[in-house]
Amino acid sequence: AQKVTQAQTEISVVEKEDVTLDCVYETRDTTYYLFWYKQPPSGELVFLIRRNSFDEQNEISGRYSWNFQKSTSSFNFTITASQVVDSAVYFCALSEVAGTASKLTFGTGTRLQVTL
Amino acid sequence: DSGVTQTPKHLITATGQRVTLRCSPRSGDLSVYWYQQSLDQGLQFLIQYYNGEERAKGNILERFSAQQFPDLHSELNLSSLELGDSALYFCASSVTSASYNEQFFGPGTRLTVL
Repeated sequence: AQKVTQAQTEISVVEKEDVTLDCVYETRDTTYYLFWYKQPPSGELVFLIRRNSFDEQNEISGRYSWNFQKSTSSFNFTITASQVVDSAVYFCALSEVAGTASKLTFGTGTRLQVTL
Repeated sequence: DSGVTQTPKHLITATGQRVTLRCSPRSGDLSVYWYQQSLDQGLQFLIQYYNGEERAKGNILERFSAQQFPDLHSELNLSSLELGDSALYFCASSVTSASYNEQFFGPGTRLTVL
């Protein structure tokens, strides 16, 4: 069975600090997809990024960057120069290929608090 | 705004009752998913539909059922409600049922069972 572990329950940083959110996954599949979602205080889940298991290139989008390492089954998310608006719960999720069906297995989330 | 709509936003009901949650997917999306978010269980996948057919089932209780209609909207029916069913229920949609598709989530329906 697949599993996603986000060991950091809560992280507090001061604005402008860099912060890395860890994500470790388990799957027996050779083909799978990893996702990050953001859940701000308003409650909705916002898609941030998707990465497939064959693409180990790091990705950068503005202040956000993602480091995928298949050797350690990790897909970590770094926010550079954090801002108060980054305060949210961040979820890492795994989707395995199962014929024509799909489902996301989520980690327990990391609550990020950015203060002034 | 993801383009996925859910109604109602909040629902308060009593134990033993039955409720229906409604979801309209993004325009063009054929697949709909239901998830439950609770403090003790986290975010859990319940069920997936694609173009009217059930495609995948997760930890969905027998008291819960869902369907997707010809116009692609979906309903999640929860019956014989218990206190433990209080949670935030999300609907998500994607273009196809393939696992590489990102799922776009609605704002959720917060269910409170008293």
